[in-house]
Amino acid sequence: GAVVSQHPSWVICKSGTSVKIECRSLDFQATTMFWYRQFPKQSLMLMATSNEGSKATYEQGVEKDKFLINHASLTLSTLTVTSAHPEDSSFYICSARDMRGLGQPQHFGDGTRLSIL
Amino acid sequence: KQEVTQIPAALSVPEGENLVLNCSFTDSAIYNLQWFRQDPGKGLTSLLLIQSSQREQTSGRLNASLDKSSGRSTLYIAASQPGDSATYLCAVKETSGSRLTFGEGTQLTVNP
Repeated sequence: GAVVSQHPSWVICKSGTSVKIECRSLDFQATTMFWYRQFPKQSLMLMATSNEGSKATYEQGVEKDKFLINHASLTLSTLTVTSAHPEDSSFYICSARDMRGLGQPQHFGDGTRLSIL
Repeated sequence: KQEVTQIPAALSVPEGENLVLNCSFTDSAIYNLQWFRQDPGKGLTSLLLIQSSQREQTSGRLNASLDKSSGRSTLYIAASQPGDSATYLCAVKETSGSRLTFGEGTQLTVNP
């Protein structure tokens, strides 16, 4: 089946560091990828939608200068948390939709646990 | 604004029981509905996808139904096993957009 690879799976770093998370679709092309944030025992919160070759669309309340998204190819999107602080600690999950259409299921990565000290 | 609700929030059953997880949504104009499984500290695994024109989908011991007019979907798990323990999330994709709206999930524990 379709696989979305997310890397790294766990990051621990000091406050002020910038952290990049990669999301790759391994066996399909994805014109659209999604970035979610999940707090403990809560559901997923959509942060932004990235479209290949264009600027990402951010949800209300999500700082675009804080969470930089790049979708440079049909198989790769990156999320960079700039100057991360302890409140940015969370579980980040990416998702990709097969470019063959809206009727295709969304596939999710295994998530990245980000811990800022 | 679409809202998705899942009941119950948590469920604990003995091994072997058949069980039903419920999902309701406020706006019936959906494109499809997807059920996911999430293990602790992991991402989401897609279980079943039901298009708006379909009534149900089956995969192994899982059966998902969709009643779009009443805004409901159920996930039926037959002969539950301890390995089924996880959080189950339903999500709807709206006709006019491409985003998924998630419910809060049902945390299932199957006791051996």
